[in-house]
Amino acid sequence: EAGVAQSPRYKIIEKRQSVAFWCNPISGHATLYWYQQILGQGPKLLIQFQNNGVVDDSQLPKDRFSAERLKGVDSTLKIQPAKLEDSAVYLCASSSGTGGEQYFGPGTRLTVT
Amino acid sequence: AQSVTQLGSHVSVSEGALVLLRCNYSSSVPPYLFWYVQYPNQGLQLLLKYTTGATLVKGINGFEAEFKKSETSFHLTKPSAHMSDAAEYFCAVSGTGGYQKVTFGTGTKLQVIP
Repeated sequence: EAGVAQSPRYKIIEKRQSVAFWCNPISGHATLYWYQQILGQGPKLLIQFQNNGVVDDSQLPKDRFSAERLKGVDSTLKIQPAKLEDSAVYLCASSSGTGGEQYFGPGTRLTVT
Repeated sequence: AQSVTQLGSHVSVSEGALVLLRCNYSSSVPPYLFWYVQYPNQGLQLLLKYTTGATLVKGINGFEAEFKKSETSFHLTKPSAHMSDAAEYFCAVSGTGGYQKVTFGTGTKLQVIP
Protein backbone atom coordinates (compact mmCIF):
# COMPACT_ATOMS: atom_id res chain seq x y z
CA GLU A 1 0.00 0.00 0.00
CA ALA A 2 1.11 3.55 -0.61
CA GLY A 3 2.56 5.38 2.38
CA VAL A 4 1.86 8.83 3.75
CA ALA A 5 2.70 11.50 1.18
CA GLN A 6 3.84 15.01 2.03
CA SER A 7 4.80 18.00 -0.04
CA PRO A 8 6.88 19.98 -0.40
CA ARG A 9 9.91 18.21 1.08
CA TYR A 10 11.82 21.44 1.65
CA LYS A 11 10.77 25.05 1.97
CA ILE A 12 12.70 28.22 2.68
CA ILE A 13 10.79 31.42 3.45
CA GLU A 14 11.44 34.75 5.09
CA LYS A 15 9.90 35.63 8.43
CA ARG A 16 6.40 37.08 8.23
CA GLN A 17 5.70 35.17 5.01
CA SER A 18 3.09 32.43 4.84
CA VAL A 19 3.56 28.78 3.96
CA ALA A 20 1.38 25.71 3.50
CA PHE A 21 2.11 22.01 3.74
CA TRP A 22 0.08 19.19 2.27
CA CYS A 23 -0.44 15.64 3.51
CA ASN A 24 -2.18 12.63 1.97
CA PRO A 25 -2.60 9.82 4.50
CA ILE A 26 -2.75 6.09 3.93
CA SER A 27 -6.04 5.16 2.32
CA GLY A 28 -8.69 4.30 4.87
CA HIS A 29 -6.88 5.80 7.86
CA ALA A 30 -9.36 7.83 9.84
CA THR A 31 -6.86 9.56 12.12
CA LEU A 32 -4.36 12.12 10.88
CA TYR A 33 -1.68 13.91 12.90
CA TRP A 34 0.58 16.89 12.32
CA TYR A 35 3.77 17.06 14.35
CA GLN A 36 6.48 19.67 14.67
CA GLN A 37 10.00 18.31 15.16
CA ILE A 38 12.61 20.86 16.10
CA LEU A 39 16.22 19.80 15.60
CA GLY A 40 17.37 17.61 18.48
CA GLN A 41 13.89 17.07 19.88
CA GLY A 42 11.13 14.51 19.60
CA PRO A 43 8.00 15.16 17.56
CA LYS A 44 5.47 17.45 19.24
CA LEU A 45 1.82 16.98 18.35
CA LEU A 46 0.27 20.07 16.81
CA ILE A 47 -3.12 18.75 15.82
CA GLN A 48 -4.97 15.44 15.57
CA PHE A 49 -7.94 14.82 13.30
CA GLN A 50 -10.47 12.04 13.51
CA ASN A 51 -11.97 11.95 10.02
CA ASN A 52 -12.48 15.69 9.41
CA GLY A 53 -13.04 16.65 13.04
CA VAL A 54 -10.39 17.96 15.43
CA VAL A 55 -9.60 15.66 18.38
CA ASP A 56 -6.70 17.60 19.91
CA ASP A 57 -5.23 20.96 18.96
CA SER A 58 -4.09 22.01 22.41
CA GLN A 59 -0.50 22.65 21.30
CA LEU A 60 -1.31 24.40 18.04
CA PRO A 61 -0.34 28.11 18.11
CA LYS A 62 -3.70 29.20 16.81
CA ASP A 63 -2.71 32.82 16.29
CA ARG A 64 -0.49 31.77 13.39
CA PHE A 65 -1.09 28.10 12.63
CA SER A 66 -4.19 26.61 11.04
CA ALA A 67 -5.03 23.18 9.70
CA GLU A 68 -7.91 21.59 7.91
CA ARG A 69 -8.85 18.17 6.70
CA LEU A 70 -11.54 18.41 4.08
CA LYS A 71 -13.62 15.31 3.33
CA GLY A 72 -11.66 13.37 5.94
CA VAL A 73 -8.77 12.60 3.61
CA ASP A 74 -6.07 15.12 2.63
CA SER A 75 -4.94 17.77 5.05
CA THR A 76 -3.15 21.10 4.87
CA LEU A 77 -1.22 22.90 7.59
CA LYS A 78 -0.65 26.63 7.21
CA ILE A 79 1.58 29.10 9.00
CA GLN A 80 0.87 32.79 8.65
CA PRO A 81 2.95 34.75 9.47
CA ALA A 82 6.04 32.61 10.00
CA LYS A 83 8.56 33.28 12.75
CA LEU A 84 12.19 32.22 12.99
CA GLU A 85 11.29 29.70 15.71
CA ASP A 86 8.99 27.88 13.28
CA SER A 87 12.05 26.42 11.56
CA ALA A 88 11.55 22.68 11.99
CA VAL A 89 10.49 19.50 10.25
CA TYR A 90 6.73 19.13 9.96
CA LEU A 91 5.67 15.52 10.02
CA CYS A 92 2.32 14.12 9.01
CA ALA A 93 1.21 10.71 10.25
CA SER A 94 -1.90 8.61 9.99
CA SER A 95 -3.35 5.65 11.81
CA SER A 96 -6.32 3.34 11.58
CA GLY A 97 -7.13 4.16 15.20
CA THR A 98 -6.53 0.71 16.67
CA GLY A 99 -3.36 -0.29 18.49
CA GLY A 100 -1.94 3.20 18.41
CA GLU A 101 0.56 2.57 15.59
CA GLN A 102 1.20 5.62 13.43
CA TYR A 103 2.61 5.74 9.92
CA PHE A 104 4.73 8.76 9.13
CA GLY A 105 5.43 10.66 5.96
CA PRO A 106 8.94 11.88 5.07
CA GLY A 107 8.31 15.34 6.48
CA THR A 108 8.69 18.90 5.23
CA ARG A 109 11.80 20.73 6.36
CA LEU A 110 10.95 24.41 6.85
CA THR A 111 13.65 27.04 7.18
CA VAL A 112 12.55 30.54 8.15
CA THR A 113 15.19 33.24 7.53
CA ALA B 1 -0.97 12.74 31.91
CA GLN B 2 1.84 10.82 30.29
CA SER B 3 5.52 11.35 29.61
CA VAL B 4 8.60 9.57 28.35
CA THR B 5 12.21 9.92 29.45
CA GLN B 6 15.00 8.62 27.28
CA LEU B 7 18.32 8.36 29.11
CA GLY B 8 21.22 9.46 26.94
CA SER B 9 20.77 11.68 23.93
CA HIS B 10 23.76 10.01 22.25
CA VAL B 11 24.91 6.39 22.52
CA SER B 12 27.97 4.94 20.80
CA VAL B 13 28.59 1.23 20.37
CA SER B 14 31.08 -0.82 18.40
CA GLU B 15 29.85 -2.88 15.49
CA GLY B 16 28.85 -6.30 16.84
CA ALA B 17 28.32 -5.03 20.39
CA LEU B 18 25.09 -5.02 22.37
CA VAL B 19 22.75 -2.09 21.79
CA LEU B 20 20.82 -0.86 24.84
CA LEU B 21 18.65 2.25 24.61
CA ARG B 22 16.80 3.22 27.78
CA CYS B 23 13.23 4.45 28.09
CA ASN B 24 11.17 5.14 31.18
CA TYR B 25 7.55 6.23 30.99
CA SER B 26 4.91 7.77 33.16
CA SER B 27 1.24 7.13 32.54
CA SER B 28 -1.91 7.37 34.64
CA VAL B 29 -3.50 4.51 32.68
CA PRO B 30 -2.17 1.21 31.33
CA PRO B 31 0.03 2.27 28.45
CA TYR B 32 0.73 1.33 24.92
CA LEU B 33 4.48 1.68 24.31
CA PHE B 34 6.38 2.14 21.07
CA TRP B 35 9.86 2.43 19.67
CA TYR B 36 10.33 4.31 16.41
CA VAL B 37 13.49 4.77 14.34
CA GLN B 38 14.29 7.82 12.22
CA TYR B 39 16.97 7.80 9.54
CA PRO B 40 18.33 11.12 8.25
CA ASN B 41 15.84 13.13 6.21
CA GLN B 42 13.12 10.53 6.68
CA GLY B 43 10.00 10.17 8.75
CA LEU B 44 9.67 7.85 11.72
CA GLN B 45 9.26 4.10 11.23
CA LEU B 46 7.79 1.77 13.84
CA LEU B 47 10.29 -0.74 15.23
CA LEU B 48 8.01 -2.46 17.72
CA LYS B 49 5.10 -1.89 20.05
CA TYR B 50 3.68 -3.22 23.30
CA THR B 51 -0.08 -3.24 23.76
CA THR B 52 -1.08 -6.21 25.89
CA GLY B 53 0.07 -9.76 26.51
CA ALA B 54 3.69 -10.87 26.32
CA THR B 55 5.99 -8.33 27.89
CA LEU B 56 8.94 -9.18 25.64
CA VAL B 57 8.23 -7.71 22.26
CA LYS B 58 10.20 -8.47 19.11
CA GLY B 59 10.41 -6.00 16.28
CA ILE B 60 12.04 -5.47 12.95
CA ASN B 61 15.79 -5.57 12.25
CA GLY B 62 16.52 -7.80 15.26
CA PHE B 63 15.40 -5.32 17.91
CA GLU B 64 13.37 -6.25 20.97
CA ALA B 65 12.08 -4.50 24.07
CA GLU B 66 10.74 -5.63 27.41
CA PHE B 67 7.87 -3.96 29.22
CA LYS B 68 8.58 -3.86 32.96
CA LYS B 69 5.62 -2.39 34.78
CA SER B 70 7.33 -2.40 38.19
CA GLU B 71 10.20 -0.33 36.78
CA THR B 72 8.02 1.70 34.36
CA SER B 73 10.59 0.89 31.70
CA PHE B 74 10.61 -0.19 28.07
CA HIS B 75 14.28 -0.49 27.11
CA LEU B 76 15.27 -1.35 23.54
CA THR B 77 17.97 -3.93 22.87
CA LYS B 78 19.73 -5.63 20.00
CA PRO B 79 22.37 -8.31 20.58
CA SER B 80 24.74 -7.24 17.82
CA ALA B 81 24.91 -3.76 16.30
CA HIS B 82 25.23 -3.25 12.54
CA MET B 83 26.44 -0.12 10.81
CA SER B 84 22.96 0.24 9.32
CA ASP B 85 21.51 0.67 12.83
CA ALA B 86 22.97 4.16 13.08
CA ALA B 87 19.92 6.41 13.39
CA GLU B 88 17.83 8.24 15.96
CA TYR B 89 15.47 6.22 18.13
CA PHE B 90 12.33 7.52 19.80
CA CYS B 91 10.35 5.91 22.60
CA ALA B 92 6.66 6.83 22.79
CA VAL B 93 3.68 6.21 25.07
CA SER B 94 -0.05 6.44 24.64
CA GLY B 95 -3.12 5.48 26.57
CA THR B 96 -5.15 2.50 25.48
CA GLY B 97 -8.46 2.57 23.70
CA GLY B 98 -9.92 5.10 21.37
CA TYR B 99 -7.81 7.67 19.61
CA GLN B 100 -5.22 8.36 22.25
CA LYS B 101 -2.55 11.02 22.00
CA VAL B 102 0.98 9.68 21.60
CA THR B 103 3.78 11.39 23.53
CA PHE B 104 7.33 11.01 22.23
CA GLY B 105 10.61 11.13 24.06
CA THR B 106 13.43 13.44 23.02
CA GLY B 107 15.26 10.71 21.14
CA THR B 108 18.57 8.86 21.37
CA LYS B 109 21.03 9.10 18.52
CA LEU B 110 22.86 5.80 18.04
CA GLN B 111 26.34 5.83 16.57
CA VAL B 112 27.90 2.55 15.45
CA ILE B 113 31.67 2.51 15.34
CA PRO B 114 33.32 0.13 12.85
